[in-house]
Amino acid sequence: AQKITQTQPGMFVQEKEAVTLDCTYDTSDPSYGLFWYKQPSSGEMIFLIYQGSYDQQNATEGRYSLNFQKARKSANLVISASQLGDSAMYFCAMRERVTGANSKLTFGKGITLSVRP
Amino acid sequence: NAGVTQTPKFQVLKTGQSMTLQCAQDMNHNSMYWYRQDPGMGLRLIYYSASEGTTDKGEVPNGYNVSRLNKREFSLRLESAAPSQTSVYFCASSLDISGNTIYFGEGSWLTVV
Repeated sequence: AQKITQTQPGMFVQEKEAVTLDCTYDTSDPSYGLFWYKQPSSGEMIFLIYQGSYDQQNATEGRYSLNFQKARKSANLVISASQLGDSAMYFCAMRERVTGANSKLTFGKGITLSVRP
Repeated sequence: NAGVTQTPKFQVLKTGQSMTLQCAQDMNHNSMYWYRQDPGMGLRLIYYSASEGTTDKGEVPNGYNVSRLNKREFSLRLESAAPSQTSVYFCASSLDISGNTIYFGEGSWLTVV
């Protein structure tokens, strides 16, 4: 079974509008972390935002916020006021405990976002 | 700030040749990872090392071997390269379970002809 699911096809958004990128996850580990990464056409992986499973509030980082719904096992990324530079591939990832204090990171397949001027 | 450094950045191999991708991190992280990225497949975990001295298989380990040389370094070896191993390879590292940031190298573009 997939641990991280990103099912949206390519997404399009008008510049300056908000957009939500969906992510659902599956884990039995009560202490896990959820990440979003951006990968522009240049190829590097850029960390955007992190949400811990025990965090009471939804994470926010500038124009990025994470809509964390624990009971539904979803961790959607919201980008407000989209900019042309937001056009990229976006990956959701989950960190689970492996043994002791060590962990493993699993990625979804990604969503392509295109921002229209 | 070096972070995660992987080499080489680009490599072309002939089928059957061997090579090693090197990765080093200077952040004193426990865990290190090797991923491959193929079009439409996202990032898939090849091998990981939860801590120094341990290595484990990920989703797609066939055709690869790894060595956690010390806490800093984690190498990925292709013993007999195949065209199916043409991909972009990323090394990453993380703190233990309390860490909230995973750092990636810049990627290595490998083509097997």
